[in-house]
Amino acid sequence: GAVVSQHPSWVICKSGTSVKIECRSLDFQATTMFWYRQFPKQSLMLMATSNEGSKATYEQGVEKDKFLINHASLTLSTLTVTSAHPEDSSFYICSASTAGEHTEAFFGQGTRLTVV
Amino acid sequence: AQTVTQSQPEMSVQEAETVTLSCTYDTSESNYYLFWYKQPPSRQMILVIRQEAYKQQNATENRFSVNFQKAAKSFSLKISDSQLGDTAMYFCAFRPYNTDKLIFGTGTRLQVFP
Repeated sequence: GAVVSQHPSWVICKSGTSVKIECRSLDFQATTMFWYRQFPKQSLMLMATSNEGSKATYEQGVEKDKFLINHASLTLSTLTVTSAHPEDSSFYICSASTAGEHTEAFFGQGTRLTVV
Repeated sequence: AQTVTQSQPEMSVQEAETVTLSCTYDTSESNYYLFWYKQPPSRQMILVIRQEAYKQQNATENRFSVNFQKAAKSFSLKISDSQLGDTAMYFCAFRPYNTDKLIFGTGTRLQVFP
């Protein structure tokens, strides 16, 4: 299957700083990428849908100015958590979809963010 | 709005036995996809099996099979000959036909013990 690489796997940052997480599709072009947040022992919560060359679509309740998403190419989407606070600590997962009728989502390894 | 419900927060099964995980969903769509994903302790999401709603035949993948009941909006996962490596969180997911957006259930934590 297709490979999605997410980097970094884990990051610790200080309150008030910004953190960028990258999501790359390694062997296919992803027209759409998704960013999820997962709290401990809970399900994946969709944060936003990222389309190449256009603005991301955020789910209700997600602050777009805090979680900046850029999808500059068909193989790279980035999520920047701006002015991070301890409550932003979580596990963030991206997925990328291939184009076509029978699209399938491929997931990155996830990023554990800890804000201290 | 579409919703996915997994009513079993935790399940356990003995190695080599069979276990069934439940999933129900709600939608007014007629065409859609259903998935089961596995999330082991590594937290990497792994696709276990997928079902297209227009197909009446239940999908199977080796030891994994589904019981898809479209009228009842039910999509259960059966794991046969359970193995220790099957220990993980299992998420049921729904995807409308005309979008790439996945809607996940709350998950079932499966523990396989020797």
